[in-house]
Amino acid sequence: EAQVTQNPRYLITVTGKKLTVTCSQNMNHEYMSWYRQDPGLGLRQIYYSMNVEVTDKGDVPEGYKVSRKEKRNFPLILESPSPNQTSLYFCASSLYSGGTGNTGELFFGEGSRLTVL
Amino acid sequence: GNSVTQMEGPVTLSEEAFLTINCTYTATGYPSLFWYVQYPGEGLQLLLKATKADDKGSNKGFEATYRKETTSFHLEKGSVQVSDSAVYFCALRENAGKSTFGDGTTLTVKP
Repeated sequence: EAQVTQNPRYLITVTGKKLTVTCSQNMNHEYMSWYRQDPGLGLRQIYYSMNVEVTDKGDVPEGYKVSRKEKRNFPLILESPSPNQTSLYFCASSLYSGGTGNTGELFFGEGSRLTVL
Repeated sequence: GNSVTQMEGPVTLSEEAFLTINCTYTATGYPSLFWYVQYPGEGLQLLLKATKADDKGSNKGFEATYRKETTSFHLEKGSVQVSDSAVYFCALRENAGKSTFGDGTTLTVKP
């Protein structure tokens, strides 16, 4: 089954304790991205990756890191979480053919609800 | 930069009522437009899309037409069901790197 898998689905942590949210897709997609969803703010893009070893900032990258060492995985790292990073996080992937020719739909994971105390 | 503005919610309708959720966008180029739906406790999933002006996307009785002249992509359904209760997001994707989403509209359909 084609899917995007995120872990953990739920996490409560404390300020300053490093954490990683994993994301894996089995569709051989080049493009992967992280979003956060907050009430009244919709989805905001944190980071995205066009392919292995290629990452770029989205609209709200502060306080986050990512890496793309393998095509299927795109972990989101919070080096020193703070309460304002309490949110619902989504990973997504899609095909990417290069240039401006690909504007295909995103496939989303089920979300990871993070609470930072 | 790009932006998407969609109708504020929440929207509450009776079963079999007509649904419209307005969406307008601002983009510098020629984006693809999407409607995603999020059911409770789940991730977003594609509902429909349109990739160029005058295209109509449709799925599960929902429709939306890409109107370049009015920069709009309004979502419509002729007869909603209780199972359509969800949050609906309008989105655009102009290049492969970034997608821009609206704030989401919560729809509740009552029997």
